[in-house]
Amino acid sequence: SQQGEEDPQALSIQEGENATMNCSYKTSINNLQWYRQNSGRGLVHLILIRSNEREKHSGRLRVTLDTSKKSSSLLITASRAADTASYFCATDGDSNSGYALNFGKGTSLLVTP
Amino acid sequence: GAGVSQTPSNKVTEKGKYVELRCDPISGHTALYWYRQSLGQGPEFLIYFQGTGAADDSGLPNDRFFAVRPEGSVSTLKIQRTERGDSAVYLCASSLRGLADDNEQFFGPGTRLTVL
Repeated sequence: SQQGEEDPQALSIQEGENATMNCSYKTSINNLQWYRQNSGRGLVHLILIRSNEREKHSGRLRVTLDTSKKSSSLLITASRAADTASYFCATDGDSNSGYALNFGKGTSLLVTP
Repeated sequence: GAGVSQTPSNKVTEKGKYVELRCDPISGHTALYWYRQSLGQGPEFLIYFQGTGAADDSGLPNDRFFAVRPEGSVSTLKIQRTERGDSAVYLCASSLRGLADDNEQFFGPGTRLTVL
């Protein structure tokens, strides 16, 4: 079963605009990660935020985590056409070992020039 | 190596056949994971190795699926009596230690399995 649920399912914006994607999950976690997937480069890790962190930045990415609401958001600022991809949140803690990742269905982002 | 590699990149087989999918993790990574991704879905966990042993195989859908990692490096996912529903992209990932608070996983490009 897939624990994470991304919202929206699809997002279309123009270059230079910001893109915000949300993720909700169901059980307690150790950390939450965001991944990007496109046909050219496969699944690429973007950022990891630990359960005791509330916000994290990496370049044009900003991730927030609200464990009380079991939700996270990914903000991509000043988007570029190259940001076009599917974005997945992934959580752990819901498997026997606690290390396997549970992915959502993803948000498909289209950035047009 | 520079990253996780998987072979073959594509595999087409007939229903009922046996297939093996190979994963070469990043050198030195003790944790290795297999996931399966169907069209329009996120990856779904299959099995996790810590070293040579399967620490968590709760994601394997049934006993037709089996995976090994005999020397703690390369892993092989084996599927017996393949069914059309097994068609998907099979992803392998590795991480340095598999620790709960440092679980960044590096994914390979995947093997696209098509069962006719």
